[in-house]
Amino acid sequence: AQSVTQPDIHITVSEGASLELRCNYSYGATPYLFWYVQSPGQGLQLLLKYFSGDTLVQGIKGFEAEFKRSQSSFNLRKPSVHWSDAAEYFCAVPLANNLFFGTGTRLTVIP
Amino acid sequence: EAGVTQFPSHSVIEKGQTVTLRCDPISGHDNLYWYRRVMGKEIKFLLHFVKESKQDESGMPNNRFLAERTGGTYSTLKVQPAELEDSGVYFCASSQDAGLKTIQYFGAGTRLSVL
Repeated sequence: AQSVTQPDIHITVSEGASLELRCNYSYGATPYLFWYVQSPGQGLQLLLKYFSGDTLVQGIKGFEAEFKRSQSSFNLRKPSVHWSDAAEYFCAVPLANNLFFGTGTRLTVIP
Repeated sequence: EAGVTQFPSHSVIEKGQTVTLRCDPISGHDNLYWYRRVMGKEIKFLLHFVKESKQDESGMPNNRFLAERTGGTYSTLKVQPAELEDSGVYFCASSQDAGLKTIQYFGAGTRLSVL
């Protein structure tokens, strides 16, 4: 069965530090993968997506993610975190006509 | 262009009462989805409309939940009677088409608290 795991429930980083949020998937074939972000009071916003091709994917707000088949991972990265990046981040796999989400990682940014 | 809007943003009701959540999708989007996040858990799919038809309602937890999309525009999700375990955040999403590569656009959610 397909699954998506986000091992980190909560991460705290200092503003300006680098960030990596982990996402591991279990899927029979090469999956499509998404990262969404939910800022306080906002809806989930798509950060980036991977369908095929180049394994390093660029997204909005300076985020990127790398698909690694050997590690079944699709980790989200940002070289320098801004205070406005404080939010909850979700990794997701599309299944038929709906999305299967991980449990989310809450990011706190300290000055 | 307006995004997906959900009403109310927060609802507090007592066990046994009825609550109706509303979702207005992006104009022109035929596909509408409902999801739910129980505290500390993942966001889970509830159902999918294509226009006014229920395409997939495999995620609906039980018959206390009723979703409608009359006329293929906005949708409502009614919980009757509400139970404590129904508490959580209910998200609505819409998309122009459907499939594995489809981008779903989400609303801010309705936080339901059942006391």
